[in-house]
Amino acid sequence: AQSVTQPDIHITVSEGASLELRCNYSYGATPYLFWYVQSPGQGLQLLLKYFSGDTLVQGIKGFEAEFKRSQSSFNLRKPSVHWSDAAEYFCAVDPTSGTYKYIFGTGTRLKVLA
Amino acid sequence: DAGVIQSPRHEVTEMGQEVTLRCKPISGHDYLFWYRQTMMRGLELLIYFNNNVPIDDSGMPEDRFSAKMPNASFSTLKIQPSEPRDSAVYFCASGQPYSGNTIYFGEGSWLTVV
Repeated sequence: AQSVTQPDIHITVSEGASLELRCNYSYGATPYLFWYVQSPGQGLQLLLKYFSGDTLVQGIKGFEAEFKRSQSSFNLRKPSVHWSDAAEYFCAVDPTSGTYKYIFGTGTRLKVLA
Repeated sequence: DAGVIQSPRHEVTEMGQEVTLRCKPISGHDYLFWYRQTMMRGLELLIYFNNNVPIDDSGMPEDRFSAKMPNASFSTLKIQPSEPRDSAVYFCASGQPYSGNTIYFGEGSWLTVV
């Protein structure tokens, strides 16, 4: 079955440390890929997206993600985490690359220690 | 630019009552989506519209749920009668072709049915 997996439900990092959030998908073709962030009580904000081309994409707030076709992964990274990055992060896939029927992962909740 | 606007932000209602959630998409966006977020099921696509026409309502849980989009700037999601298991955050989102199939979310309507 088509799916998006975020294996880490919770992650805790210290402020200033690096961060990597994992996302794997199970689709035959390369889908459109997205990362969203949801702060408490807020909606989802787009961090970055990948459609084609350069496999390393830059997003807002200092985030980047790398698409690895061989691993069916689209991991989100940030070199130095700020306390304000504490939130829930969702990976999403548009498997048919144009239908808008996103499949969301279950989310990873990030806690940042001062 | 104004984002997706949802109302009410919070609603507490008694079981059996009718609930109407409202959404104003981003101007110029042709697609409108209704999502539901719960702890148990995560983010679920309920229905989406293209140019005010419902395209896929396969995610609507049951006949108690209905959605309309009478014009390009307004949509409603109605639950009648409401049940406690409908308690969730309901997100409206909109998107536009050729913007990379990106979906932009509102801040959500937090529904509690008691």
